[in-house]
Amino acid sequence: DVKVTQSSRYLVKRTGEKVFLECVQDMDHENMFWYRQDPGLGLRLIYFSYDVKMKEKGDIPEGYSVSREKKERFSLILESASTNQTSMYLCASSLGSGGRETQYFGPGTRLLVL
Amino acid sequence: AQTVTQSQPEMSVQEAETVTLSCTYDTSESNYYLFWYKQPPSRQMILVIRQEAYKQQNATENRFSVNFQKAAKSFSLKISDSQLGDTAMYFCAFMNNNNDMRFGAGTRLTVKP
Repeated sequence: DVKVTQSSRYLVKRTGEKVFLECVQDMDHENMFWYRQDPGLGLRLIYFSYDVKMKEKGDIPEGYSVSREKKERFSLILESASTNQTSMYLCASSLGSGGRETQYFGPGTRLLVL
Repeated sequence: AQTVTQSQPEMSVQEAETVTLSCTYDTSESNYYLFWYKQPPSRQMILVIRQEAYKQQNATENRFSVNFQKAAKSFSLKISDSQLGDTAMYFCAFMNNNNDMRFGAGTRLTVKP
């Protein structure tokens, strides 16, 4: 089974803090994704990566950055956390590109920014 | 830009009965993929079913089936013989050939005993 793990299930941070969310997958997947999930809005793509050290902006990259130094690990960074970044963050990975490739999701990190 | 609309924020169904979740989408492309994902309470999101737009036959996976109406841009999910474990948020999603994936807002389904 594919395992996608996220470093924290719940996180509480203060405004202005730098926040790191870690995601690790164990199936040698090429592609990794970061989404945020908000009620009434579904999932929105923040960033994705098709290869090590490669990143592409999604729909809502403002206020976020990412890092992919190793194939199995994809980190989301909130440079200076703000209250409007309170949300559920989901990481996903897939073997390749395209609709035939299933995205496998992690359990999510619920972030509260005070 | 593609959009995905799920018009039912919440639904409920009695155990063993059938329920249909609605999804419509907007695109000018002819080939694309459609998905239904399930997110149980406090658990990971998993893929329920996938449909390729060029395939006219509706996808089925055990108790889950879709009604894909390409001309109407409609992609509904039918769950037969509902079970308590089907209680979850269900997301409809669309992916184009550029791997641009869009999700609907979700439908919260509750299966009642």
